[in-house]
Amino acid sequence: AQTVTQSQPEMSVQEAETVTLSCTYDTSESDYYLFWYKQPPSRQMILVIRQEAYKQQNATENRFSVNFQKAAKSFSLKISDSQLGDAAMYFCAYRSVHAGNNRKLIWGLGTSLAVNP
Amino acid sequence: NAGVTQTPKFQVLKTGQSMTLQCAQDMNHNSMYWYRQDPGMGLRLIYYSASEGTTDKGEVPNGYNVSRLNKREFSLRLESAAPSQTSVYFCASSFTASNQPQHFGDGTRLSIL
Repeated sequence: AQTVTQSQPEMSVQEAETVTLSCTYDTSESDYYLFWYKQPPSRQMILVIRQEAYKQQNATENRFSVNFQKAAKSFSLKISDSQLGDAAMYFCAYRSVHAGNNRKLIWGLGTSLAVNP
Repeated sequence: NAGVTQTPKFQVLKTGQSMTLQCAQDMNHNSMYWYRQDPGMGLRLIYYSASEGTTDKGEVPNGYNVSRLNKREFSLRLESAAPSQTSVYFCASSFTASNQPQHFGDGTRLSIL
């Protein structure tokens, strides 16, 4: 069974600086998708970025980018030029491509990010 | 552009009471999901519906039932609420394809006394 591990329960960063949130996962599959979601205090879950395992190029969305290391099964999120609005809980998630797993998302426990002014 | 709508947003129940949480999506998604979120436990899947007419158990289905009423709506029922079911409940939906993200509702904070 697949698992997702976020080893940093809490992180903090100074406004305008860069922070990296780590995520590792365990799978025997070769094809899958990875996601980062953000959950601000408003509680809403918001997709930040996604990565297809078959793509070697790291995904980027504005100030958010990932470092995807398939062999190491690592999927870290880098937030550049951190803003106060980035303060939130960040969840890493894995999704199988195989219909037998019904393509459910497997979630990490989250990292709480504080942004200091 | 409503996305995923959950009702109610807050609810307080007494032990033993029943309750149905409603969820509707207007994005023509095939798949819908119910999660609960507890401190330190992350998101745990209760039930999901891969497509209209099908439902399956997730990680923590005990004490819950679901109904996929049509393509748009997926309800979660607590038949006899217990304090252990105090949680924040999220409904989500997605297209079936694996690369499609799940879209979430705003959550329901449920307290059972």
